[in-house]
Amino acid sequence: NAGVTQTPKFRVLKTGQSMTLLCAQDMNHEYMYWYRQDPGMGLRLIHYSVGEGTTAKGEVPDGYNVSRLKKQNFLLGLESAAPSQTSVYFCASNMDGSYGYTFGSGTRLTVV
Amino acid sequence: EDKVVQSPLSLVVHEGDTVTLNCSYEVTNFRSLLWYKQEKKAPTFLFMLTSSGIEKKSGRLSSILDKKELSSILNITATQTGDSAIYLCAVAQGAQKLVFGQGTRLTINP
Repeated sequence: NAGVTQTPKFRVLKTGQSMTLLCAQDMNHEYMYWYRQDPGMGLRLIHYSVGEGTTAKGEVPDGYNVSRLKKQNFLLGLESAAPSQTSVYFCASNMDGSYGYTFGSGTRLTVV
Repeated sequence: EDKVVQSPLSLVVHEGDTVTLNCSYEVTNFRSLLWYKQEKKAPTFLFMLTSSGIEKKSGRLSSILDKKELSSILNITATQTGDSAIYLCAVAQGAQKLVFGQGTRLTINP
């Protein structure tokens, strides 16, 4: 019973490079989310999805794109990484928004 | 603008002490308030408080929601070193998202 799995766990990018973070959940959850966590700022919502094939912008969407082609996967893409995107990224999911979310273990991304 | 504010931002106490962490909020479409504990990695769920469930308790941890004052407290009694963590407060708006506070970093010294 894996829950929410994020890959990779760590990554260092050069400015301008692109990459995709993968989130996979095996709980048949409808809702999936991408958050970033920066020191002193809590977690901020980047994008979210309320079901397969749907995506929506959160609080800080600029510089990121997402896709939910399969219900169990939620991908976060950075097309041209910037140092301001250095952060810890968390994926989360839940069934219908009514209960506490299940978080992945995070991806620490450094952009140099 | 929706916001969730936690206080204090950092707290250091001795093992066995009792601590109270605070969370206040100003958000539209309030649905519930949640507390999470974050150690080295992912936040783990502690409590969810709603209009129909304003007080929760689990072992040495308890939490109360004050909808009139738009705030919540998290109490930890007889603290242990294993309680050292960042405690996050979040408010659920509708079914779409959580708005998080900055977190309180709690350190328990032996």
